[in-house]
Amino acid sequence: DAKTTQPPSMDCAEGRAANLPCNHSTISGNEYVYWYRQIHSQGPQYIIHGLKNNETNEMASLIITEDRKSSTLILPHATLRDTAVYYCIVTGYSSASKIIFGSGTRLSIRP
Amino acid sequence: DGGITQSPKYLFRKEGQNVTLSCEQNLNHDAMYWYRQDPGQGLRLIYYSQIVNDFQKGDIAEGYSVSREKKESFPLTVTSAQKNPTAFYLCASSIQGLAGVTDTQYFGPGTRLTVL
Repeated sequence: DAKTTQPPSMDCAEGRAANLPCNHSTISGNEYVYWYRQIHSQGPQYIIHGLKNNETNEMASLIITEDRKSSTLILPHATLRDTAVYYCIVTGYSSASKIIFGSGTRLSIRP
Repeated sequence: DGGITQSPKYLFRKEGQNVTLSCEQNLNHDAMYWYRQDPGQGLRLIYYSQIVNDFQKGDIAEGYSVSREKKESFPLTVTSAQKNPTAFYLCASSIQGLAGVTDTQYFGPGTRLTVL
C-alpha cells in the first residue's frame, strides 16, 4: 500500500524553480518524509528529509504543511541534470518493511 | 572512497539457474537492503538486514535468499523458484542498527539481470 501520492509527471523550464508535491495524509507522528531521486538506470540518490519543520540543504528545500499531510520538494534553479524520477517516502522507527518507493514523479527539465 | 558497489552491472542467465548478485559497502553501515525494480515501476523491498547474521523478509522475498556473514557484504541469490527474475536489482545500506530510526539509505549502481 502506497503511503504517498505523487503526480506521475511534471516539467519545468531550466533555471526556474521546480516544485514537486507529495500527499501523505495517513502519516503518523513519528514518521519522517524522505525524498530521493533516480536518474535513468542508476541507483536512487538521497535528497532531503524532514519531520515537522521545513528543511534546506545544498540540493533542495522541503516544505511540510502544518498538519503534515503533504509536502513540497523545491529545486530552486532546475538544470537539465535534475531530470529524474523523484520519490517521496514516509517512514518511521525501525520500519524497514514499510519503506515503499511508489512510482514517483518523472520530472523533465526543458531547455 | 566510501560507497556501495554492486557487481556485475549486467548479468545474463539461463532460465532455471540460480544466480548470486554481489553487494559490498565500506561505509561501516549496520543495515543493508535489497530492492527490485521493474520497468517504469518503483522499488520493492526483497530482504533487509539490520545486523550481521540476521535478516528479514521484505514484501517480495519469495524466490530469493540472502546471507549476512560480514558487515560489509549482503549477497542476494535469485533462485530458480523466482517466476520473473528479469529486473533491475538495487542494494542499499544505512547507518541504522537494531534500535535506530529508519534513516537515509545509500544506494549502489544496481545490477540488471536478464534471464533468457
